[in-house]
Amino acid sequence: RKEVEQDPGPFNVPEGATVAFNCTYSNSASQSFFWYRQDCRKEPKLLMSVYSSGNEDGRFTAQLNRASQYISLLIRDSKLSDSATYLCVVNQAGTALIFGKGTTLSVSS
Amino acid sequence: DVKVTQSSRYLVKRTGEKVFLECVQDMDHENMFWYRQDPGLGLRLIYFSYDVKMKEKGDIPEGYSVSREKKERFSLILESASTNQTSMYLCASNYRGMNTEAFFGQGTRLTVV
Repeated sequence: RKEVEQDPGPFNVPEGATVAFNCTYSNSASQSFFWYRQDCRKEPKLLMSVYSSGNEDGRFTAQLNRASQYISLLIRDSKLSDSATYLCVVNQAGTALIFGKGTTLSVSS
Repeated sequence: DVKVTQSSRYLVKRTGEKVFLECVQDMDHENMFWYRQDPGLGLRLIYFSYDVKMKEKGDIPEGYSVSREKKERFSLILESASTNQTSMYLCASNYRGMNTEAFFGQGTRLTVV
């Protein structure tokens, strides 16, 4: 079983749409959770950390469900500039970050 | 601004050559990582290091070795390059502990011919 699984997409949505990405992880000892964004031919960059209480940053909302080992990212009012690959990332203390394969989002006008 | 710098953006090497990929970070991070990224396979961990002279194998260490003689520098070595090591290589670093952001270098696209 893969440690971190994501729907690869692609998700093709119009500007202004709301889109949700899901991610599941297999290791219940995982302690830290993140969403990274990767633009074409660029390195990944942190979008947001994910906390049990849920957190919001502008149009982006992340949720963590430890019982179901499930992480989500919601993007509201999609912009053209949101087009990218979104990577779900987990780790346990003292180990490396484990990445999902990523979900590709394409926002069109 | 945190900087993780990889020595080359593009490299072309011949089969059988010994290849060194260098990574330097300027934030005094304890942890450093090497990943490779291939289409459809995502980022796969090759090796990581949580301290000077310490290293741990990741998911795909075969054909690679690493060196961390100084805290700021983490080198990836391809002992004898093969065509199946053609890939994008990404170095990253972060502080030890929970919820610490990892910063990536710009990547090295290695082609082995």
